[in-house]
Amino acid sequence: DTEVTQTPKHLVMGMTNKKSLKCEQHMGHRAMYWYKQKAKKPPELMFVYSYEKLSINESVPSRFSPECPNSSLLNLHLHALQPEDSALYLCASSHVGLAGAGSGELFFGEGSRLTVL
Amino acid sequence: AQTVTQSQPEMSVQEAETVTLSCTYDTSESDYYLFWYKQPPSRQMILVIRQEAYKQQNATENRFSVNFQKAAKSFSLKISDSQLGDAAMYFCAYRLIQGAQKLVFGQGTRLTINP
Repeated sequence: DTEVTQTPKHLVMGMTNKKSLKCEQHMGHRAMYWYKQKAKKPPELMFVYSYEKLSINESVPSRFSPECPNSSLLNLHLHALQPEDSALYLCASSHVGLAGAGSGELFFGEGSRLTVL
Repeated sequence: AQTVTQSQPEMSVQEAETVTLSCTYDTSESDYYLFWYKQPPSRQMILVIRQEAYKQQNATENRFSVNFQKAAKSFSLKISDSQLGDAAMYFCAYRLIQGAQKLVFGQGTRLTINP
């Protein structure tokens, strides 16, 4: 199983709503990532979890709240978002290895397309 | 800080021809990975090819090969015998080897295949 599964694929929410994006992988990876991607732009890193602990937060506004309940799951809780937060949200996972260990690549899900009205 | 630069926002090639996408990067580190990812309109990011910086031999995956010039910090992708299914946005990316390190992306090159 080399898949990263993201749900939902599409989400429309109002600025006062609370919603969550979910991500799951069963590859035994201990690093998981959230990226935000605007149209025709590269993905921008939001958060990195390593061994279920937040290791990188790229100064993301607090209206985005990540959670890693276990080594296979990653959530992104959304609250009081702005229209400019509309984007494709990509989840990814990878090994956390010693130098030279593992393939080094990130495996990406298909993304959740978020529209904030 | 590490940066990745793709100087070609758009490229096009005739079906069955060869095309080369350019990528340069800046880093002071010696142990890292370089990748080319493909993102079709269906939006899933797919790994095309990977290169470890400590390996001198250029990576090859079927019709895809790279020209890795470590001293010049250059990492170009050559696609041979282009196919319609190769049409996509291609991102060059860099990542340190140690730990849970983020992937740093270039701005991308949109590749069009002309039948």
